[in-house]
Amino acid sequence: AQSVTQLDSQVPVFEEAPVELRCNYSSSVSVYLFWYVQYPNQGLQLLLKYLSGSTLVKGINGFEAEFNKSQTSFHLRKPSVHISDTAEYFCAVTWGNEKLTFGTGTRLTIIP
Amino acid sequence: GAVVSQHPSWVICKSGTSVKIECRSLDFQATTMFWYRQFPKQSLMLMATSNEGSKATYEQGVEKDKFLINHASLTLSTLTVTSAHPEDSSFYICSAREAGGPINEQFFGPGTRLTVL
Repeated sequence: AQSVTQLDSQVPVFEEAPVELRCNYSSSVSVYLFWYVQYPNQGLQLLLKYLSGSTLVKGINGFEAEFNKSQTSFHLRKPSVHISDTAEYFCAVTWGNEKLTFGTGTRLTIIP
Repeated sequence: GAVVSQHPSWVICKSGTSVKIECRSLDFQATTMFWYRQFPKQSLMLMATSNEGSKATYEQGVEKDKFLINHASLTLSTLTVTSAHPEDSSFYICSAREAGGPINEQFFGPGTRLTVL
């Protein structure tokens, strides 16, 4: 079965430090990749997406991600985090259809 | 643009009662809507996919008689949790795909927290 893996359940980072949240998926065939952010008791907000084209994707709030087909990864990065980035981050994938499969999420905590 | 709302944002009910949750696309027409549930500190699990004017498609393990989904118009889908029990307590999130929009693009609602006593 196709799957999405977020190995890090929690990532603590000092304010203004860089961060990388890891995401791996099971197959690169017809894959479309997404990162979502969820603040407490809220729905999901799209950070960025990869559908085709350039493998480096830039999103909102200074985040970016790189599609690596050979490593089946789509890691999320930000060069300098802010307190307001504290949230849950979900990687999601579709394989040529409309169903989104979500990873288990990574809780990013920014330390002042 | 592309705003999805849910009502209510939270609901508390007694065991055995039914609860209806609405999902609306406010500024676009949604041919397809999705219902997810999210347990505390866990990921989103797709429950069902609903297409306007047709029966919903449920994921394996989801009881269609317990979670009734109606997608009667291009802007409204409803999820009714029938005879709710404490184990149904969860965060329910809907999403919508715009008619004619990219197949892989979904817009998410803010979620509804259901607590069954």
